[in-house]
Amino acid sequence: SQQGEEDPQALSIQEGENATMNCSYKTSINNLQWYRQNSGRGLVHLILIRSNEREKHSGRLRVTLDTSKKSSSLLITASRAADTASYFCATTGSGGSQGNLIFGKGTKLSVKP
Amino acid sequence: EPEVTQTPSHQVTQMGQEVILRCVPISNHLYFYWYRQILGQKVEFLVSFYNNEISEKSEIFDDQFSVERPDGSNFTLKIRSTKLEDSAMYFCASSQVYEQFFGPGTRLTVL
Repeated sequence: SQQGEEDPQALSIQEGENATMNCSYKTSINNLQWYRQNSGRGLVHLILIRSNEREKHSGRLRVTLDTSKKSSSLLITASRAADTASYFCATTGSGGSQGNLIFGKGTKLSVKP
Repeated sequence: EPEVTQTPSHQVTQMGQEVILRCVPISNHLYFYWYRQILGQKVEFLVSFYNNEISEKSEIFDDQFSVERPDGSNFTLKIRSTKLEDSAMYFCASSQVYEQFFGPGTRLTVL
């Protein structure tokens, strides 16, 4: 079954630096979504990229998708201490499934002030 | 900005008891979901619901689980006889199409 797997598992950077997280998956997808989760809290939707898109921007976020490599990356530019959280990619399949988001294990990002 | 809400935020129950977790999805959304996250593990899909019926469910969603939309606003997850391994964060989500918006979760602790 398809599965999003992020790397690195943990990333520690200084405020102002850029953070790049990667996600790989196994099967054809309809779209890929990135979520943020602060410790012990709910999931916040960040951005969705469709399978026919290659790049998408939202504020300080830039997401790329390479369907030939079955991979995506999330770039956070000019990071802030408030960006400290876990980041997950999640995929939905191309087989007509409406829901059933498959989540990866996440990247734990720590931004030091 | 509209958001998904869940109650209670924390539920403690004894093994074998029934629990009902409640969610109020975003009002113009058509698709509703439940996920769970056992401490330190991945978020796992449980069930999706559309047009007043289950559209998809995972292997986790066995006969002990049920969902209901009792009125125009609430969406509930019932666990009939809780087990220790049901202890987890349970997230409700809703969507108009593909973008799923999650609630803050209910932490279920089974003793």
